[in-house]
Amino acid sequence: EVQLVESGGGLVQPGRSLKLSCVASGFTFSNYGMNWIRQAPGKGLEWVAYISSGSSYIYYAETVKGRFTISRDNAKNTLYLQMTSLRSEDTALYYCARYYGATFFDYWGQGVMVTVSS
Amino acid sequence: DILMTQYSSSLAVSEGEKVTMSCKSSQSLLWIGNQRSCLVWHQRKPGQTPKPLITWASNREPGVPDRFIGSGSGTDFTLTISSMQAEDVGIYYCQQHLDIPLTFGSGTKLEIK
Repeated sequence: EVQLVESGGGLVQPGRSLKLSCVASGFTFSNYGMNWIRQAPGKGLEWVAYISSGSSYIYYAETVKGRFTISRDNAKNTLYLQMTSLRSEDTALYYCARYYGATFFDYWGQGVMVTVSS
Repeated sequence: DILMTQYSSSLAVSEGEKVTMSCKSSQSLLWIGNQRSCLVWHQRKPGQTPKPLITWASNREPGVPDRFIGSGSGTDFTLTISSMQAEDVGIYYCQQHLDIPLTFGSGTKLEIK
């Protein structure tokens, strides 16, 4: 069974940093591209970042480019999102999601909440 | 960025009734490589994470009931549920994968009347 479990969220002050993790199981993690997607309270889904299976290709939404860094450790079956210079508008539920065939997100984690507030 | 617009924010229908929801993209989602549109419909049931129902605008994912029908191409897409069931309650999102950034529609919340 495919499982994606996020962790690392919490309450953080504006301007500070936070690192999210997503541990994958039930599939060969190193064969799949992975994404971070977020949903702010009362808002829709926003794609945040993508990393290819071997980390050769990385893309970001303009809203986080230069502040967030996506990475992965295939030996540990873990996806990361390093978030710096956090803003109140980064407050959201963050999901990791597996990318199937460069077309769609076929499995999502349950999400981890990040709240940026003083 | 490709803007995805779902004009109906919510729908309330009776069981057994036909449901139609639409999604429009700000530019064509046709991929030259296979002449198919890069459009996915996701279903998000209450308390669950989204799951893909329809890929490439009209391809039903394995295990998805055949009452779910995706249609359309280019910029205009439709998700039809031929006969609403109670378990279909949830939010339906369209999403394009033609270009980065990947973008979602705002969602259509489907409820039972």
